Amino acid sequence: KNQVEQSPQSLIILEGKNCTLQCNYTVSPFSNLRWYKQDTGRGPVSLTIMTFSENTKSNGRYTATLDADTKQSSLHITASQLSDSASYICVVSGWGKLQFGAGTQVVVTP
Amino acid sequence: GAVVSQHPSWVICKSGTSVKIECRSLDFQATTMFWYRQFPKQSLMLMATSNEGSKATYEQGVEKDKFLINHASLTLSTLTVTSAHPEDSSFYICSARDFGDEQYFGPGTRLTVT
Repeated sequence: KNQVEQSPQSLIILEGKNCTLQCNYTVSPFSNLRWYKQDTGRGPVSLTIMTFSENTKSNGRYTATLDADTKQSSLHITASQLSDSASYICVVSGWGKLQFGAGTQVVVTP
Repeated sequence: GAVVSQHPSWVICKSGTSVKIECRSLDFQATTMFWYRQFPKQSLMLMATSNEGSKATYEQGVEKDKFLINHASLTLSTLTVTSAHPEDSSFYICSARDFGDEQYFGPGTRLTVT
């Protein structure tokens, strides 16, 4: 069973709107949680990384939250742009190994 | 920021031939490099972990004789797909971990076996 579950699997949003992606994990012990953006045919690019003690971190229009007690994280995209169309992957690190979620495919339409 | 490059970015080869993919950390030394495979609409799957100067550690189900990994220096790791078959067609991504335990991903290599 995957230790990192993401939802929704995919979503379509209008340009300029906001959206929130979810990540639930069971990885233990927990070292950090990362959100990556992966454009089609490209490698993942780091958006945010949070440790146990951090519960929010922003990178421009991307804001990630972490609740280490409930083992949940979210990634909020504000004022979406066409260039935000990509797969967003939640990755949890434990014991030096990365556990990958399946990703949420986001499509931003004009 | 740290940069990881891969070469080639895409390659087409005939069934039965071997293909080598290079992964380089351009501005930092990587204690460990990782090789991943990604099929369409799926997430990255770890294939193997390689440390400079030692044998790679392969994940369960990955054939070490088919996917040869060499980590000759702190900035270069290579993945050779031997006797490639169409089912080996995939997107191969490497990542490199620096001394601060941060991982940086390469841009990926698209392999198509005809």
